[in-house]
Amino acid sequence: KQEVTQIPAALSVPEGENLVLNCSFTDSAIYNLQWFRQDPGKGLTSLLLIQSSQREQTSGRLNASLDKSSGRSTLYIAASQPGDSATYLCAVGGSGGSNYKLTFGKGTLLTVNP
Amino acid sequence: DAGVIQSPRHEVTEMGQEVTLRCKPISGHNSLFWYRQTMMRGLELLIYFNNNVPIDDSGMPEDRFSAKMPNASFSTLKIQPSEPRDSAVYFCASSYGTGSYEQYFGPGTRLTVT
Repeated sequence: KQEVTQIPAALSVPEGENLVLNCSFTDSAIYNLQWFRQDPGKGLTSLLLIQSSQREQTSGRLNASLDKSSGRSTLYIAASQPGDSATYLCAVGGSGGSNYKLTFGKGTLLTVNP
Repeated sequence: DAGVIQSPRHEVTEMGQEVTLRCKPISGHNSLFWYRQTMMRGLELLIYFNNNVPIDDSGMPEDRFSAKMPNASFSTLKIQPSEPRDSAVYFCASSYGTGSYEQYFGPGTRLTVT
């Protein structure tokens, strides 16, 4: 059974700092990996999706990497801003016939202080 | 383009009552997912529909839960009878079910059963 772990559970940084969020998964046979952002009381917003054949994806100040063999992904946020404060969730898609199935980590609560 | 629409946004009901949650997926998407989020268990997939057909309902906790998708633009998740342990945030998500399977989430329904 796939298990997804996110470290740290919470992170507080001053504005302007570059930071890295970590995600690890136990089964390397994945279809894709998706990073989401969740604001309090809101739904999930998709940030980046990495297919299993890719190594990284970039969008603006965000860069996500994927190392399937070691079961790890990182989300790099450059020049953090108070508006980046949210919970960040990592989810891996199953392989084979269950590539629709996302297994989520518990998330990292990020606070960026002005 | 409107995102995934869910209603109601908040529902408070008494134990034993029937609860119906509603979802309108993004137009053109052919896959629909119902998730439940709790502090203890995080985000869990309840059921997955493809082209209006239930494909995977292994996450539905028990017979009190049922879901339908009568057409491509509407789905319901019903709990009958409801119990306090059903209190959670229920999310609906949709995707174009070939290729990336990138999922787009609705704002969620916060259910409280007293």
